[in-house]
Amino acid sequence: GAGVSQSPSNKVTEKGKDVELRCDPISGHTALYWYRQSLGQGLEFLIYFQGNSAPDKSGLPSDRFSAERTGGSVSTLTIQRTQQEDSAVYLCASSLEGLEAEAFFGQGTRLTVV
Amino acid sequence: DAKTTQPPSMDCAEGRAANLPCNHSTISGNEYVYWYRQIHSQGPQYIIHGLKNNETNEMASLIITEDRKSSTLILPHATLRDTAVYYCIVREYGNKLVFGAGTILRVKS
Repeated sequence: GAGVSQSPSNKVTEKGKDVELRCDPISGHTALYWYRQSLGQGLEFLIYFQGNSAPDKSGLPSDRFSAERTGGSVSTLTIQRTQQEDSAVYLCASSLEGLEAEAFFGQGTRLTVV
Repeated sequence: DAKTTQPPSMDCAEGRAANLPCNHSTISGNEYVYWYRQIHSQGPQYIIHGLKNNETNEMASLIITEDRKSSTLILPHATLRDTAVYYCIVREYGNKLVFGAGTILRVKS
């Protein structure tokens, strides 16, 4: 596709379950970001993959959160033992490398933990 | 850890220019200023970026002061569809994009 694709678009899960959120970046984009946005709040940075460099995980809120990027393309954000406070929209973005590259965002995955 | 300061909200009349200010007094010499916006229930959208010189594209103009400590995003003829949260971002070393609280721009008819 032409844009960043995220799946699923909506996910309802029970507290304590693990969830996986997927991001398909724009082809050829070497940088990939994950953010989360709670209702009425701003974007909270989670993790950043840049080419072959070690990912910047400084925004992950706890060790229940992890992310992988396989083959420099698709990324999966995993949340283990979900809590109600994990409910949010999780946004993925990708860009070419370089300071002048704009980031393109997907439409997000709305996660609801019940 | 946002390095920018923006007013929390602004109003603008439809058809008039919207001027959104941003302070970034600690910006370093090789950091760029970026503007993104987020329309309700959508992912953020890139608007424009600049280093030193003023920039213009089909969406907006970016005016950066000579000392680079502040900038202004200008939407020349605001429409109702421009109602959104506007984020001013200084890109940190390592290219990570960090969003602050932004400015809620309400365009009113």
